[in-house]
Amino acid sequence: DTEVTQTPKHLVMGMTNKKSLKCEQHMGHRAMYWYKQKAKKPPELMFVYSYEKLSINESVPSRFSPECPNSSLLNLHLHALQPEDSALYLCASSQVGPYEQYFGPGTRLTVT
Amino acid sequence: KQEVTQIPAALSVPEGENLVLNCSFTDSAIYNLQWFRQDPGKGLTSLLLIQSSQREQTSGRLNASLDKSSGRSTLYIAASQPGDSATYLCAVDLQGAQKLVFGQGTRLTINP
Repeated sequence: DTEVTQTPKHLVMGMTNKKSLKCEQHMGHRAMYWYKQKAKKPPELMFVYSYEKLSINESVPSRFSPECPNSSLLNLHLHALQPEDSALYLCASSQVGPYEQYFGPGTRLTVT
Repeated sequence: KQEVTQIPAALSVPEGENLVLNCSFTDSAIYNLQWFRQDPGKGLTSLLLIQSSQREQTSGRLNASLDKSSGRSTLYIAASQPGDSATYLCAVDLQGAQKLVFGQGTRLTINP
């Protein structure tokens, strides 16, 4: 099973709201990732977790707060977002190291 | 800074043709290169992963090659089908840092 699941599929939120995105995998991978993808652009890395610890933060604003509660789950907590944060948010997982990354279907986020 | 370029940005061919997509990168110190396809509004599907020590990988009608010294990779698609229509992205992993750097993608259309 090479499936990464993400919920919700779509999310509309106001600039004062707090919401969370969820990602789950059951492939035994110990590295998980958040990417942001704007329309007609390639994905951009936001965060990397290795063995449930944050290993890479690509200078992402603090209104995005990642969390890895266990080896199968990855959350992205959102607070006080701006309209320019509207994008497709993709989760991925892999073995730790330079291995194949498997992506989920994404959450389409719209900030109004 | 690693830069990844994909040419052409868009390609339209009739069904049944063999075709080649190109990917070039500026820093040859890569651990691997991964090819993905992305359907509109969807997540990424991993197609092939080539480790830096490999020259090529094959999966069905797809064949990917890697020439680290020249900073190039190609994705060959044999006997193209309308279902192959999608955006194809290549990504390189910098020195095993688990940081994928993506090209801008090639939008492929296969005409019946």
